[in-house]
Amino acid sequence: GAGVSQSPSNKVTEKGKDVELRCDPISGHTALYWYRQSLGQGLEFLIYFQGNSAPDKSGLPSDRFSAERTGGSVSTLTIQRTQQEDSAVYLCASSLSGAPNEKLFFGSGTQLSVL
Amino acid sequence: AQSVTQLDSQVPVFEEAPVELRCNYSSSVSVYLFWYVQYPNQGLQLLLKYLSGSTLVKGINGFEAEFNKSQTSFHLRKPSVHISDTAEYFCAVSDEAGFKTIFGAGTRLFVKA
Repeated sequence: GAGVSQSPSNKVTEKGKDVELRCDPISGHTALYWYRQSLGQGLEFLIYFQGNSAPDKSGLPSDRFSAERTGGSVSTLTIQRTQQEDSAVYLCASSLSGAPNEKLFFGSGTQLSVL
Repeated sequence: AQSVTQLDSQVPVFEEAPVELRCNYSSSVSVYLFWYVQYPNQGLQLLLKYLSGSTLVKGINGFEAEFNKSQTSFHLRKPSVHISDTAEYFCAVSDEAGFKTIFGAGTRLFVKA
């Protein structure tokens, strides 16, 4: 497709379970970002991949969160032992080269609900 | 490190009235500034951006923003709003030091008839 694709669009899980969220960036975009959107918290930066460079993981809230990007394209965000406070919309974005003056293209997000 | 503060969480306004959504940032180096908009049940999209040059930036749907370096602000304005402008607006900053884009908490604009 032409845009950033995220799956699933909705995920309901039980506390303590692991979840995987997927992001397909726009073809040819070398930079990929994960953000978390919670009510009243805005968009919280989680992690940033740029080409083959080591990812910027400075926004990951705990060691239960991890992300990888295979082959410079698809990315998976994994949350282990989910907690209720992990409930949020997880947004993925991509940009052409990762330069700081570029606009970000966002996916529609994954709504995660932890019961 | 960069940071962004949006001073108003919600702004109610009547249709055809002017509106200003406030944004202040901090950064130790030259910055790039953005406003993104999220309409109900839609994804985020770019409204406008400041990279360099003229401090007054015009975006889509009649919005504009002014970069004020001395006040470290990038407030968003529209002289006359429409019902269709009801959305959440996010200010964002990136710079040559951090590269990643940092967003504010968002301002929810309600336009009333």
